[in-house]
Amino acid sequence: QQQVKQSPQSLIVQKGGISIINCAYENTAFDYFPWYQQFPGKGPALLIAIRPDVSEKKEGRFTISFNKSAKQFSLHIMDSQPGDSATYFCAARANRDDKIIFGKGTRLHILP
Amino acid sequence: SAVISQKPSRDICQRGTSLTIQCQVDSQVTMMFWYRQQPGQSLTLIATANQGSEATYESGFVIDKFPISRPNLTFSTLTVSNMSPEDSSIYLCSVLSLNYGYTFGSGTRLTVV
Repeated sequence: QQQVKQSPQSLIVQKGGISIINCAYENTAFDYFPWYQQFPGKGPALLIAIRPDVSEKKEGRFTISFNKSAKQFSLHIMDSQPGDSATYFCAARANRDDKIIFGKGTRLHILP
Repeated sequence: SAVISQKPSRDICQRGTSLTIQCQVDSQVTMMFWYRQQPGQSLTLIATANQGSEATYESGFVIDKFPISRPNLTFSTLTVSNMSPEDSSIYLCSVLSLNYGYTFGSGTRLTVV
């Protein structure tokens, strides 16, 4: 059973555009929502994370928007660059057992 | 972030054999995990490695197939036993530390022939 649903599966954006990736969850016990970036041949690297007590978090060009009532959260990449081309995973953790559950990933390609 | 050294980085193994993957962290961490990632796919948690006790396995994964050790706070091993081509995948070590949150190693790319 997929506990974190991620869309789209792949995304193509022009350089300078905004990339948006969406995730939804059902488990209200989730209390930590990270986003990971993965390049080929590398392990996932933490990009940005949010907790459900805030609705938005921004770090540089990366912003997480969080809607607790809708149980949805999204990653926005502003001014997307070719170097942002990677696979992005949303994830969630329930406070009771500390394991991270991943979405299926979005393969992002930024056109130069 | 915590620095993870995972070995080997890749291997090609004969079916029916076993491979042990090592994960060494440069600092003490509270939790260690092992994931599997099929090429182009998401990460699936195999088990949580518990120091000094048996690992906690996720549904679909069993100790006989994936024995795990964690003798101390900075080291763990995952063995893939009696391998078949279906075990070809990337295996990733992950750690949770108080200072750095969750960190992943670069993975071990396993091909079973």
